[in-house]
This record gives sequence, C-alpha cells and structure tokens, in this order.
Amino acid sequence: EDQVTQSPEALRLQEGESSSLNCSYTVSGLRGLFWYRQDPGKGPEFLFTLYSAGEEKEKERLKATLTKKESFLHITAPKPEDSATYLCAVQVGTYKYIFGTGTRLKVLA
Amino acid sequence: ETGVTQTPRHLVMGMTNKKSLKCEQHLGHNAMYWYKQSAKKPLELMFVYNFKEQTENNSVPSRFSPECPNSSHLFLHLHTLQPEDSALYLCASSAAGGFPGANVLTFGAGSRLTVL
Repeated sequence: EDQVTQSPEALRLQEGESSSLNCSYTVSGLRGLFWYRQDPGKGPEFLFTLYSAGEEKEKERLKATLTKKESFLHITAPKPEDSATYLCAVQVGTYKYIFGTGTRLKVLA
Repeated sequence: ETGVTQTPRHLVMGMTNKKSLKCEQHLGHNAMYWYKQSAKKPLELMFVYNFKEQTENNSVPSRFSPECPNSSHLFLHLHTLQPEDSALYLCASSAAGGFPGANVLTFGAGSRLTVL
C-alpha cells in the first residue's frame, strides 16, 4: 500500500536554529515528490518538485533533497515568517497524489 | 485574484440543508480536484475531473455530489451531511504533462464547512 509519513509532527525552533523535516515514502511508482507550505486558513502553496534520487532544489532558506526512500526539507536560519505547516506529497498516478499529515513548524523570535 | 478561487470561504449548515461549494480556475489547467482536509489527517482525495470527465471517485458517500460543467468550474453539492463531514474542503487544479510546472497542484484557499 502506498504510504507517505512525515516527521516530526510538530517542531519548535528558535529564530536562526536550522533543522530538517522528513518525508519518507513507500510507493509502487514515484512520478514526483512535492513539498507544499500551508498557512492557517489557507490552501497549500507549492514549494518544490523533486523527481529522482540525488536531486536538490533551493529557495531562500529552504532546500529540498530526495533519496530513494525519503525527502528532507532543510530550513537554514529560519525566521518567524517560516512558521507554517509543511506538507509532502508523492504523485503515484496521472491524477493521484498521496499526502503526508504534515509537520507544523513554529519559529520563535 | 488567485489562480484558484473557492466560494464560500465559510459555511455552516444543518444536517438537512442543501448547499454547494464552488471552485473556479483561470490557469488553463485540464484537471480539477476536490480534497477533504481534517485535523491530523492527510489530505483525502474525493473527486478528480479531467476536461469535465470524472476520472476518480474515491468511495465518497453519495451525500457529496460533484459537478464539472467545464474545465474551469467545479462544484460540490452537499445534502444531508453528518457532523463528521465538518472539515476544510480544498479545490485544486493541475496541468498534466512533462513540461516544467506540470503536475503541480494549485490549491484554492478552501471552504471551511461546519455541519451542526
């Protein structure tokens, strides 16, 4: 059964304290792995797509990496405005995506 | 105006009411989706339409009835709902293909539904 697991469930960081979020997956056929950010009361906002092991993508303080079993979202020197829920999703069919339950990140000033 | 617009943003209804959620996208995408988001659960796919044709129906109870009159509009008709149906309902769209940006889900802000 296709499955996506995110950890930790919640994370509190001090401003400037770097850390990583994990997304591990067990799927029959990976078409792509997606990271989204979701702010309270809003829909998820696209961050990155990764397609193959070894691929990396960067945007400001965020860097996403992919292996054959998991993906990491590295947050370097986070700021309070990085506080959000980060969702990972794996595409397993043309219109089929498996989502994780997300990591709630809180960055304290 | 965002790429995917959902109305209403908030809806409170009784168990015997009939209401509808509306979604509109101006991105030229071919696929539109309804997802249900409940606390501490993964996003749950409900329905998918590709160019107005339904391609997925994830064993959703018949009290939820989708309608896709064209590739830009998607509705979710609600009737005789249960309190456990209270959730955030997200609409999304995507363009299938192998080009940059393909297969990325673009979400609306969601419709927060409360069933009393």
